[in-house]
This record gives sequence, structure tokens and C-alpha cells, in this order.
Amino acid sequence: QSVLTQPPSVSGAPGQRVTISCTGSSSNIGAGYDVHWYQQLPGTAPKLLIYANNNRPSGVPDRFSGSKSGTSASLAITGLQAEDEADYYCQSYDRSLSSWVFGGGTKLTVL
Amino acid sequence: QLQLQESGPGLVKPSETLSLTCTVSGGSISSSSYYWGWIRQPPGKGLEWIGSVYYSGNTYYNPSLQSRVTISVDTSKNHFSLKLSSVTAADTAVYYCARRAIGYGGYFDYWGQGTLVTVSS
Repeated sequence: QSVLTQPPSVSGAPGQRVTISCTGSSSNIGAGYDVHWYQQLPGTAPKLLIYANNNRPSGVPDRFSGSKSGTSASLAITGLQAEDEADYYCQSYDRSLSSWVFGGGTKLTVL
Repeated sequence: QLQLQESGPGLVKPSETLSLTCTVSGGSISSSSYYWGWIRQPPGKGLEWIGSVYYSGNTYYNPSLQSRVTISVDTSKNHFSLKLSSVTAADTAVYYCARRAIGYGGYFDYWGQGTLVTVSS
């Protein structure tokens, strides 16, 4: 089990908005460490989607946004598209484990 | 454009040592702003950080794997390597190399395509 908890799956219709939560604790997100998000399309390597809580790398559409509050973070995707169907992972640092940690991943299905 | 490419055997016998190399092109592994790391993903499962190395040779390892892991860097060849000893079937995974920004808040911004390593006799 991951120290960062994500829902196993979320779904939404094209054009809708979905959010994916990432719940941590006082030893990781709550300790002030940044949260980052990755998108993994089927059969490919993860791709950095959001860094430092709410920043998008060049080339990532502004339909993707991130936020962080307390011991949790969220990824929001607006204007859902079929190409967004993928696995999404949050990542942070855990000072108790002395490790860079990932959430268990969330599979997004576009209905 | 920075590129990372993993290489190494795709099949390793139980109890033996898994060895992989990540070759970096389009940029220098000697950059002071980044660590270079290994992450793995068992089939159908999530991501697990294995460890990271700085160009100076400084390393961080996942405590759960620390007793079996060695990560080294060769700046002359612009590559870094992973050795995982005493492997079992539980070590079967896709192994990715990636670049991580320095600092505890660092993120992995460039990834290799990954290489599947199967542990089996």
C-alpha cells in the first residue's frame, strides 16, 4: 500500500470535469513537500503533467491543473477528451520513509 | 532534446544480480541541477522509486531496497547504472531511468522508455 492514497479509478464523459485526489500525511504532503503528477498512457513511460503542486510543463494543455491543501492534493482535468484516458500518479517526498514516493495510481476512463 | 535509454538483460535468474544502464543523450549527466534515478513498475501495478545518483557519486536509496541496490555514475560515458542483487520473482518489473530535479521536492521530468526485466529460471 502506498503512503499517498489515490482512488483506483475515476470516469467521466467527454467534455466533463474530473478530479483525482491524492491523500497523504504529516510526513509527506502535510510536511510541505511539493506534489507532482504524472500521466501514463497505455504501454508508455510516465510523463510529467504537473510539477510543484500547480505548474504545467511546456506543452501540457491548460485543461490540466493541480492544487494542494493540508495533507492532500488534487489533479483536475476539464474538457475531458478520449486521449486523456490513462493512469495518473501523484508523487512527493516522505521524510519518515526517507523516500520519494508515488501514489498507487488512478485509472481514468473516458466514457 | 534530452533522451534517456535503458539497456541490459531482459531475463535474470533468481538469486542473481540485475544490471541495467541508462545512457543520457542530448545533455550532460554532470549538470549540478539534477539527480539521476531508477523507478520500477511491476506488471499491472504502480510506480516504486528505487534510488538516485548525483554526478559526484552521491546516492539516495529506497530503504526497502537499500541492502540490495547499488547505483553508480560514469560521467565520461554520460551514463548511470543500477545493480540489484539477490533478485526474486517480486523484482520482475519494467525498470525506468529518469532525471530528477535536486531537492526533496524534486520531480522526474525526463524518463526513458523503460525496459522489462523478468526474473525466472
